[in-house]
Amino acid sequence: KAGVTQTPRYLIKTRGQQVTLSCSPISGHRSVSWYQQTPGQGLQFLFEYFSETQRNKGNFPGRFSGRQFSNSRSEMNVSTLELGDSALYLCASSVPSSTDTQYFGPGTRLTVL
Amino acid sequence: TQLLEQSPQFLSIQEGENLTVYCNSSSVFSSLQWYRQEPGEGPVLLVTVVTGGEVKKLKRLTFQFGDARKDSSLHITAAQPGDTGLYLCAGISGSARQLTFGSGTQLTVLP
Repeated sequence: KAGVTQTPRYLIKTRGQQVTLSCSPISGHRSVSWYQQTPGQGLQFLFEYFSETQRNKGNFPGRFSGRQFSNSRSEMNVSTLELGDSALYLCASSVPSSTDTQYFGPGTRLTVL
Repeated sequence: TQLLEQSPQFLSIQEGENLTVYCNSSSVFSSLQWYRQEPGEGPVLLVTVVTGGEVKKLKRLTFQFGDARKDSSLHITAAQPGDTGLYLCAGISGSARQLTFGSGTQLTVLP
């Protein structure tokens, strides 16, 4: 079974631009979560989508948004990029159960100049 | 906000040595997970502990969940260079089952 894939793997943008990242979950997984990882703040939860609906949201500004399609693929969008948005953005998929096991993709490395 | 503090933040040891990584919180979690992340990759789940006081062994790795379900430890026996990586603990809580990650421990095992 193929793992979680994320595209692109690397991205360079300038301040003020917007960016869209894509995540394809493991086949059969309906839950997709997004995380931001930085050296200073570690891994922080952005949001979770399940069956095309945002189920949970972390403490990030409204510039960060996402969506999920009927095939469970998900995208996240960051508008008006700031230097502090430079980070590794990780996507994880899971089949919700009593003890959730999340499978992470390799991440998208975003650099904002 | 639930916080998970990991210690130490950095650890560099020689091959064959033993080590313990700690994960502490003031909050109670319904379960706790440990992940390992290598450069250029996402975290990979190592274990999930659910019951207070639970001990799980995975070859040379021993994981323990505190009795009060607020803390956990990871002990590695006879560390090998292949154990090098970023070790992350993550607590699961609430009906939302949201993961809260610890600050991470960067382990380097020197040959």
